[in-house]
Amino acid sequence: DTEVTQTPKHLVMGMTNKKSLKCEQHMGHRAMYWYKQKAKKPPELMFVYSYEKLSINESVPSRFSPECPNSSLLNLHLHALQPEDSALYLCASSQDYLRLAGGPGAKNIQYFGAGTRLSVL
Amino acid sequence: KQEVTQIPAALSVPEGENLVLNCSFTDSAIYNLQWFRQDPGKGLTSLLLIQSSQREQTSGRLNASLDKSSGRSTLYIAASQPGDSATYLCAVRVGETSGSRLTFGEGTQLTVNP
Repeated sequence: DTEVTQTPKHLVMGMTNKKSLKCEQHMGHRAMYWYKQKAKKPPELMFVYSYEKLSINESVPSRFSPECPNSSLLNLHLHALQPEDSALYLCASSQDYLRLAGGPGAKNIQYFGAGTRLSVL
Repeated sequence: KQEVTQIPAALSVPEGENLVLNCSFTDSAIYNLQWFRQDPGKGLTSLLLIQSSQREQTSGRLNASLDKSSGRSTLYIAASQPGDSATYLCAVRVGETSGSRLTFGEGTQLTVNP
């Protein structure tokens, strides 16, 4: 099973709303990622969690707040978003992020969810 | 700063044709390179991952090669089918410890016509 599940699939919210995106994987992966993708552009990394600790924050505005309650779940809390935040939000996971030298490369493969299409009105 | 370029940006071919997608990167000190497929409005599906020490990887009709010294990778698709229509993204990973991340190219949008 290489499935990363994201909910909801679609979300429409106003600029004053508070909402959350959810991501779940049961592959035993210890690294989880949030990406933002605008139309016809590649994904842009937002956050990386490694062993449930925030490892990377790519200078994302504070209106986006990630949370990793346990090793299988990753949330992205949204508050006071702007229309330009409308995008496809992708979650990914990989077996490891702090890669040990040597060994097979399979641990590096990132598995992506189907994404949440977010529209901010 | 690592930059990844994919050529062409779009490609339309008849069914059955063999084709090559190109990816180039500016910093040859990569840890690995991964090819993804993305269908419209969907997430990314990993196709092949090549470690920096490898020259190529194969999966079914797909073959990916890596020439790290020249900063290039190619994805070869044999006997293309309409179901292969999608955007293909390459991504490189620089570094193997904390702080390393994927840098994506802009993608090649492939259309295979029946």
